[in-house]
Amino acid sequence: QKEVEQNSGPLSVPEGAIASLNCTYSDRVSQSFFWYRQYSGKSPELIMSIYSNGDKEDGRFTAQLNKASQYVSLLIRDSQPSDSATYLCAVNMGFGNEKLTFGTGTRLTIIP
Amino acid sequence: DAGVIQSPRHEVTEMGQEVTLRCKPISGHDYLFWYRQTMMRGLELLIYFNNNVPIDDSGMPEDRFSAKMPNASFSTLKIQPSEPRDSAVYFCASSPSIRQETQYFGPGTRLLVL
Repeated sequence: QKEVEQNSGPLSVPEGAIASLNCTYSDRVSQSFFWYRQYSGKSPELIMSIYSNGDKEDGRFTAQLNKASQYVSLLIRDSQPSDSATYLCAVNMGFGNEKLTFGTGTRLTIIP
Repeated sequence: DAGVIQSPRHEVTEMGQEVTLRCKPISGHDYLFWYRQTMMRGLELLIYFNNNVPIDDSGMPEDRFSAKMPNASFSTLKIQPSEPRDSAVYFCASSPSIRQETQYFGPGTRLLVL
């Protein structure tokens, strides 16, 4: 079983709709959770981090964490064509462990 | 600041050849990370340094891979001998702290081993 799993997609969402990206992880002691956006041919950029159960909102982005169920999700409201990218979920065990474990990413396409 | 600088941006080589990838971190960043990204395995951490000292190299795939950081402004990742399965995009990232929020990725080196 992979440590961090994501649906590879592609996920197609109409412009203006909500895009929902999901990620599950296997290590129960995981402490920190991150979402990265990666445009084709570019490097990953961090867009959200979440550490506690519940929701965290930043503009059009909302990260949701449920440690009991071991999943983390990213919602993108009012999706724009510029949101078309691959989204990487990453997990860190914390406790001073700086090693991030990444999922393989979900490719998102926003349809105008 | 110019950001994290990697060279070369693209490398094509033949199996068995030595490959050296280079990284210049952002000035003042004490942490440097080397990642490899492939379609099949995604983004994987190979090794990271703190204050030029390798801290965790458990992600280095095998002895053919080696990484050095002779000073705070330069790091290399070497593959010798290279194999076709090493074909990937290699990213270097640097950070002023252990927190992922402060980690900046370089543009990557796209390596193709024929």
